[in-house]
Amino acid sequence: EAGVVQSPRYKIIEKKQPVAFWCNPISGHNTLYWYRQNLGQGPELLIRYENEEAVDDSQLPKDRFSAERLKGVDSTLKIQPAELGDSAVYLCASSLSPAASEQFFGPGTRLTVL
Amino acid sequence: KQEVTQIPAALSVPEGENLVLNCSFTDSAIYNLQWFRQDPGKGLTSLLLIQSSQREQTSGRLNASLDKSSGRSTLYIAASQPGDSATYLCAVRTGNSGYALNFGKGTSLLVTP
Repeated sequence: EAGVVQSPRYKIIEKKQPVAFWCNPISGHNTLYWYRQNLGQGPELLIRYENEEAVDDSQLPKDRFSAERLKGVDSTLKIQPAELGDSAVYLCASSLSPAASEQFFGPGTRLTVL
Repeated sequence: KQEVTQIPAALSVPEGENLVLNCSFTDSAIYNLQWFRQDPGKGLTSLLLIQSSQREQTSGRLNASLDKSSGRSTLYIAASQPGDSATYLCAVRTGNSGYALNFGKGTSLLVTP
């Protein structure tokens, strides 16, 4: 069974440029999460989707970050414009259901903003 | 807000030793607790999931325990190997976090040959 797929794996951009990350969750997983992991820290939730609905986006900086999950499968996370402080690893995870299920993580996208 | 603390932050042991990693959390009303492994530059690999009604889970040389009332979990690694070297993250899921996982900062483990 394929795991969570993310692309690109690495991205280097200059500040003020836009960037987008893509995630394909495990087949059949209705819940999708985007986390951000800063160096030396644990991941922190940015947004959670139940199918195509964003049900928890309280930690998403909405002035520059946006996300979508069209058709309730793949998801895209976008930053526009990027700032130096956005340098981090962006992790996508999925689970069968929100409450009791195990979360499975993708390999992440390492973003460097110069 | 749920706070998760992992002790120690870093640990170095010789190969073959048994070791214990500690995790504590402030809000005992959790749904489950998950232990992950993260290799440098990689994503998270799920090791063990303990539901709130369970006391422990085992997988191979790994054993995780949960004491929900005291807000503690331990990850026991038996007969450590150099391949166990990685960062180990503890995460808890509570309803007031919207079912998101709250992570600790991790314990960086180095097992020397």
